[in-house]
Amino acid sequence: EVQLLESGGGLVQPGGSLRLSCVAPAFSLSNYAMSWVRQAPGKGLEWVSSISGSGGNIFYADSVMGRFTISRDNSKNTVYLQVNSLRAEDTAVYYCGKGATTLTKFYHYYVMDVWGQGTTVTVSS
Amino acid sequence: ELVMTQSPATLSVSPGETATLSCRASQSVSSNLAWYQQKRGQAPRLLIYGASTRATGIPARFSGSGSGTEFTLTISSLQSEDFAVYYCQQYNNWPQRFGQGTTVAIK
Repeated sequence: EVQLLESGGGLVQPGGSLRLSCVAPAFSLSNYAMSWVRQAPGKGLEWVSSISGSGGNIFYADSVMGRFTISRDNSKNTVYLQVNSLRAEDTAVYYCGKGATTLTKFYHYYVMDVWGQGTTVTVSS
Repeated sequence: ELVMTQSPATLSVSPGETATLSCRASQSVSSNLAWYQQKRGQAPRLLIYGASTRATGIPARFSGSGSGTEFTLTISSLQSEDFAVYYCQQYNNWPQRFGQGTTVAIK
């Protein structure tokens, strides 16, 4: 069974930065797209960013464009989300997810079929 | 801007009955629509993708239908573990977007 483990969350002041990590201890992620989705307290799901298996295709939500950077290191089986210029409205649980297929021609290449347990980011002074 | 609208916001159903959840897209998303289940304190779980394809390990009582702008998730013979929040998500266009969720509650 594939497991994803997120880390890197915490309490940070407005304007601060964090680097979130997502690793699969016993599964190779290199051929899969990976995504980040967040959920503010008591709210619904918000897609944040996605990256293809090679890292050559990257997408962001408008709300984080220019402040967040997604990347991956396939040699470490890890995906990152660098979150900068944090605002109170970025407070949320951040989930990483693995794409549903290795076949890039299919739209569901970017559908998240396995999710991590989430890491919490709290932005407050 | 593409908007996903789910209805109803809350659905009260008795165990053993059928729940029918709706999701509407403000423009066509073809069949590129997924459904997720989220229980309190847990990460979401993929149920359906491609509007009607069940993900691995998902029971047959979960079924999806629709295309274009109108989609339905049907949960037959509701079990106690099915009471949760359900989200639809379009992945036809960037940015991906989720609906606001439907809570399936015990009647």
